[in-house]
Amino acid sequence: GAVVSQHPSRVICKSGTSVKIECRSLDFQATTMFWYRQFPKQSLMLMATSNEGSKATYEQGVEKDKFLINHASLTLSTLTVTSAHPEDSSFYICSAAGSQGITYEQYFGPGTRLTVT
Amino acid sequence: GQQLNQSPQFMFIQEGEDVSMNCTSSSIFNTWLWYKQDPGEGPVLLIALYKAGELTSNGRLTAQFGITRKDSFLNISASIPSDVGIYFCAGQGGGSNYKLTFGKGTLLTVNP
Repeated sequence: GAVVSQHPSRVICKSGTSVKIECRSLDFQATTMFWYRQFPKQSLMLMATSNEGSKATYEQGVEKDKFLINHASLTLSTLTVTSAHPEDSSFYICSAAGSQGITYEQYFGPGTRLTVT
Repeated sequence: GQQLNQSPQFMFIQEGEDVSMNCTSSSIFNTWLWYKQDPGEGPVLLIALYKAGELTSNGRLTAQFGITRKDSFLNISASIPSDVGIYFCAGQGGGSNYKLTFGKGTLLTVNP
């Protein structure tokens, strides 16, 4: 159980275009989903937290108008990188959390490699 | 903000050897988690620790939650080549604060 999928796994886009990444919890209802980015040889950096049906909460320094997050259902969250630039190239990982008694264990998707040319 | 100090940053060992890595924090966490990440993949949860002093095993993996709630270690016994990867510790505040704070990772290389 606790499987999280991401689509696409890899995407290459041209500078100035927008890219949408989907995150799905396949076998449980995720009350909260998280979006991270990871640069090569670095740790995961939390970008935003999204709860189903409400606006996402962004971490300091993350532009909410650039990284649009929609958490429309308990199994789907999307991250849209708008007007992408080469510096947005990164590994984007989502995680999904659902109540497990007193804990909220996060289960991670396989990641999406974004390359902006 | 909260920071986790994870060490060592790199480990090069021979197959069959035991491995130990640890994380310390200046802040208290209610939950400690250990993840493994393979190249180009998302992190996979290895062990979750919920109580101070808790010692938990998962196969060849053993992890402990420090009494002060500010540290944790992960041991891997009898390492095998597929143990290669990056290991991350993560602290979680608990309650309504379920954000994870990650350590910088330990890159483990196992020589056959």
